[in-house]
Amino acid sequence: QQQVKQSPQSLIVQKGGISIINCAYENTAFDYFPWYQQFPGKGPALLIAIRPDVSEKKEGRFTISFNKSAKQFSLHIMDSQPGDSATYFCAATRRGGSTLGRLYFGRGTQLTVWP
Amino acid sequence: GAVVSQHPSWVICKSGTSVKIECRSLDFQATTMFWYRQFPKQSLMLMATSNEGSKATYEQGVEKDKFLINHASLTLSTLTVTSAHPEDSSFYICSARDGVKGYTFGSGTRLTVV
Repeated sequence: QQQVKQSPQSLIVQKGGISIINCAYENTAFDYFPWYQQFPGKGPALLIAIRPDVSEKKEGRFTISFNKSAKQFSLHIMDSQPGDSATYFCAATRRGGSTLGRLYFGRGTQLTVWP
Repeated sequence: GAVVSQHPSWVICKSGTSVKIECRSLDFQATTMFWYRQFPKQSLMLMATSNEGSKATYEQGVEKDKFLINHASLTLSTLTVTSAHPEDSSFYICSARDGVKGYTFGSGTRLTVV
């Protein structure tokens, strides 16, 4: 069973546009929601993360919106650039005491930004 | 920031041989290491979780005798693919967990078995 569902599978955006990727989860015990960016042949790198006590977090051009009641969260990339072309994964996990549990990943979104 | 060094970045081996992949946390102590496998254009599939000094916990369907994981110290974990076959060809990624820094991923290892 897919713990985290991610859409769309692929996304094509024009330079300067807004890229939006959506994720949904079922397990209400999840309390840490990171987004990762992965370039071909490289490992994922943390982009931004959010905890459910806030509805939005912004870091530069990247914003996470979180809807706890709907069990959904999304990544917005403002002013998308060709260098943002990569695969993006949402993930979720549950903190166990002071440590983090295993990550559950979405299937990924391949973003292409056209110049 | 937290850095995880993974080596080698790519390896080609003959069918039937064994290959070792190393993962080191350079500036923090990794209480837990995760090993993933990733097929082209797919998500990361967790293979096993290891805590320093104890046996790894393997996910369902992962052969623990084929994928040997050792986590002998807080900064080093290794994955050995034993008696590799072409179907073991994949991209392997490690991730280190530190209770403070969260998760940090290695750069991945492309394994090709010929």
